[in-house]
Amino acid sequence: DIEMTQSPSSLSASLGDRVTITCQASQDITKFVNWYQHKSGEAPKLLIYDASNLQSGVPSRFSGSGSGTHFTLTISSLQPEDFATYYCQRYDSLPITFGQGTRLEIK
Amino acid sequence: QVQVVESGGGVVQPGRSLRLSCAASGFSFSLYAMNWVRQAPGKGLEWVALISNDGKNEFYPDSVKGRFIISRDNSKNTLYLQINSLRAEDTAVYSCARVFRPQQVDGAFDLWGRGTVVTVSS
Repeated sequence: DIEMTQSPSSLSASLGDRVTITCQASQDITKFVNWYQHKSGEAPKLLIYDASNLQSGVPSRFSGSGSGTHFTLTISSLQPEDFATYYCQRYDSLPITFGQGTRLEIK
Repeated sequence: QVQVVESGGGVVQPGRSLRLSCAASGFSFSLYAMNWVRQAPGKGLEWVALISNDGKNEFYPDSVKGRFIISRDNSKNTLYLQINSLRAEDTAVYSCARVFRPQQVDGAFDLWGRGTVVTVSS
């Protein structure tokens, strides 16, 4: 199975900071990567699909980039509601797999 | 309101079976492939099943193949997950999630429920 290695596993940042989360695939998966935000007790939320497309209704401070094996999620200026856990997901082939998650905390 | 709501979780003894349900509303359920995803305590997200919009195709990871059965009733706008021979490691929050492109089985999951809790314990 293709593995997705997500880093960092946790991150402390301040309001207004720019943060970047990365996912590295063990094989070329072209652009078949999505990014989600998950807050405890809530439904996960789709942020970015197909590596770089912003899901409807998601603030423009979120962006995604990458192709092949290296992918990034960037939040340009952290807002209070952004503190959550973020996951990448690959779906180029089955089984669908998620990264290990990045817990974003307030510094 | 476009939403999916899971139900059917609970505390179950090892070796028993359980059927989870996911009720969809506010969209044309029969047009969309659906998934089940779980999150064990303190762990990340794990995909466990996918079914095509017409119910003719099912997919599972090796970790649950043979014990989990996904199904759907498009006349009732409801998705199901049958879990057999429950194990302690099946303890998790189980959520259903929609594939965002109609009539396709691959793609992002754009609509999720909050999940239903399954605890496997004697």
